[in-house]
Amino acid sequence: QSALTQPASVSGSPGQSITLSCTGTSSDVGGYNYVSWYQQHPGKAPKLMIYGVSNRPSGVSNRFSGSKSGNTASLTISGLQAEDEADYYCSSFTRSSTFYVFGTGTKVTVL
Amino acid sequence: EVQLVESGGGLVQPGGSLRLSCAASGFTFSTHWMSWVRQAPGKGLEWVANINQDGSEKYYVDSVKGRFTISRDNAENSLYLLMNYLRVEDTAVYYCASWTYHSGDHWGQGTVVTVSS
Repeated sequence: QSALTQPASVSGSPGQSITLSCTGTSSDVGGYNYVSWYQQHPGKAPKLMIYGVSNRPSGVSNRFSGSKSGNTASLTISGLQAEDEADYYCSSFTRSSTFYVFGTGTKVTVL
Repeated sequence: EVQLVESGGGLVQPGGSLRLSCAASGFTFSTHWMSWVRQAPGKGLEWVANINQDGSEKYYVDSVKGRFTISRDNAENSLYLLMNYLRVEDTAVYYCASWTYHSGDHWGQGTVVTVSS
């Protein structure tokens, strides 16, 4: 089972919106509505930002939103802020023996 | 407040064993699936294993099957990962996470495992 494909880096200016992609297959992203997104600051544990493709946990800013089309999921960060600078990982349930697969990760830089 | 505190990491030689622990508090541990996720130095996240509420269902990533065993003690609010026949490629930060709706909704701070001779 290969990792889900994410762009290595995405950047934007404060206040802008950016969209991170996460591409898988029909065996994972495309086959289930179990896509999650995590934010990870350097040296820190991951933090759940989106679950079930588009649901935000309590306490997560509504500047973060998720969606999915076919085998590609997306995370949009609107009103980009300095504290959004971090690594972001997507994850999906998969019907393969791996059970869950993570993405390669995207480093978000706020210019 | 939900807290997950891992312990048990350290330096071990290839072929050796370690037992990781995760102490949970602030939520009803016995009603949650739990997982271990690892992150090799400078690399991305990798799901390792998970276990259902009463420990009757356990799943592993292929690379650790037959070597790692996940378990839990609901009376002690604790999650464990017994790691045998460790390899250099098992070197990573190991996180425990509560798993809800196929997602890690709360994570510990991680414990470092280094496999080296």
